[in-house]
Amino acid sequence: LAKTTQPISMDSYEGQEVNITCSHNNIATNDYITWYQQFPSQGPRFIIQGYKTKVTNEVASLFIPADRKSSTLSLPRVSLSDTAVYYCLVGDRGTDKLIFGTGTRLQVFP
Amino acid sequence: DAEITQSPRHKITETGRQVTLACHQTWNHNNMFWYRQDLGHGLRLIHYSYGVQDTNKGEVSDGYSVSRSNTEDLPLTLESAASSQTSVYFCASSNSGGTAQETQYFGPGTRLLVL
Repeated sequence: LAKTTQPISMDSYEGQEVNITCSHNNIATNDYITWYQQFPSQGPRFIIQGYKTKVTNEVASLFIPADRKSSTLSLPRVSLSDTAVYYCLVGDRGTDKLIFGTGTRLQVFP
Repeated sequence: DAEITQSPRHKITETGRQVTLACHQTWNHNNMFWYRQDLGHGLRLIHYSYGVQDTNKGEVSDGYSVSRSNTEDLPLTLESAASSQTSVYFCASSNSGGTAQETQYFGPGTRLLVL
């Protein structure tokens, strides 16, 4: 199975930009990269998805290099409400199964 | 409004008992998934289904089974509960996609404790 790794935790202050990277060394060739956000006692919810280069929506940007072996979720000007765990989700090239990353716990301080 | 629900939200059972966790979605999604979430492991895929009568094993399927008799429901059964299956279980559903990985919509989770 693909190893999909993320930093365990990150700290930031309100108003700063936060970049969270996910390493996926065995990503399926035709699969997208998706990021989810999870608050305590809730299920994850979709943030953003991309295949290559850069994608931007109203809440985040996603940067994907040409080799697609990693991706970076960028949260501009975080607020306290962005404190959550963030997961990447990719397809594994060997098994075709979807694999969640290990998750990054983001703590935003005032 | 369309939604995905799980029941029960909390369950305590004893080792060796059979347990069934329910998942029901009203989006008419073809794809449904079961995950377990444990500290230090994130979300791990147990089983998934791409339509009625279709079921597939995920990363951690041993000790679990699912059946898909209609579009709306994918119950997860623990045949003989073990303490190692104490976890939080999430159900999710998504639309059938082309080449894109469709957005998964998650239920609120079921917290299971096996004594």
